[in-house]
Amino acid sequence: KAGVTQTPRYLIKTRGQQVTLSCSPISGHRSVSWYQQTPGQGLQFLFEYFSETQRNKGNFPGRFSGRQFSNSRSEMNVSTLELGDSALYLCASSLGQGFPEAFFGQGTRLTVV
Amino acid sequence: AQSVTQLGSHVSVSEGALVLLRCNYSSSVPPYLFWYVQYPNQGLQLLLKYTTGATLVKGINGFEAEFKKSETSFHLTKPSAHMSDAAEYFCAVSIGGSYIPTFGRGTSLIVHP
Repeated sequence: KAGVTQTPRYLIKTRGQQVTLSCSPISGHRSVSWYQQTPGQGLQFLFEYFSETQRNKGNFPGRFSGRQFSNSRSEMNVSTLELGDSALYLCASSLGQGFPEAFFGQGTRLTVV
Repeated sequence: AQSVTQLGSHVSVSEGALVLLRCNYSSSVPPYLFWYVQYPNQGLQLLLKYTTGATLVKGINGFEAEFKKSETSFHLTKPSAHMSDAAEYFCAVSIGGSYIPTFGRGTSLIVHP
């Protein structure tokens, strides 16, 4: 069974640009969550999608957005990139309601210059 | 709301020695508890989980953890450290409803030969 797949693994962007990251969950998983990991702030929850609906949202500005498609694949978008957005972005999938165990992808390393 | 405190940002042990990584949680309802491991530039891999039932939980790679409600703790142990155990370890707590895990700041395990 394939794990959670995130693409691309590495990205370098310039301040002011926008970026889209992709996540394919484990087959059958309907919940996808996104996290930002930085040395200073640790792992911070961005948002969670379940059956194409955003179900939970963390405390991030509106520049961070996401969506989920009917096949459960998810994308997150960051607009008007800032230097502080440099981080490892992790996607996790789970079966959903009643199943708390989350499985993580390898992450996308975003560097903003 | 729930929270996690991991005592010690770095723990150093000799190869073959006991590994003990400490985790205390705060939750107003019965929690689900997890330990994850992260290797450099990788995602998080689930080591073990506590949901209900037996309070001593065994995981992969010889790790185990014990849920102690009275102490609100979920410490991770391994009888004998191996060089390959060197990594970042995260404790996480989630509760019913959203099931979104809250992560501790992580503990870096250093293993000396």
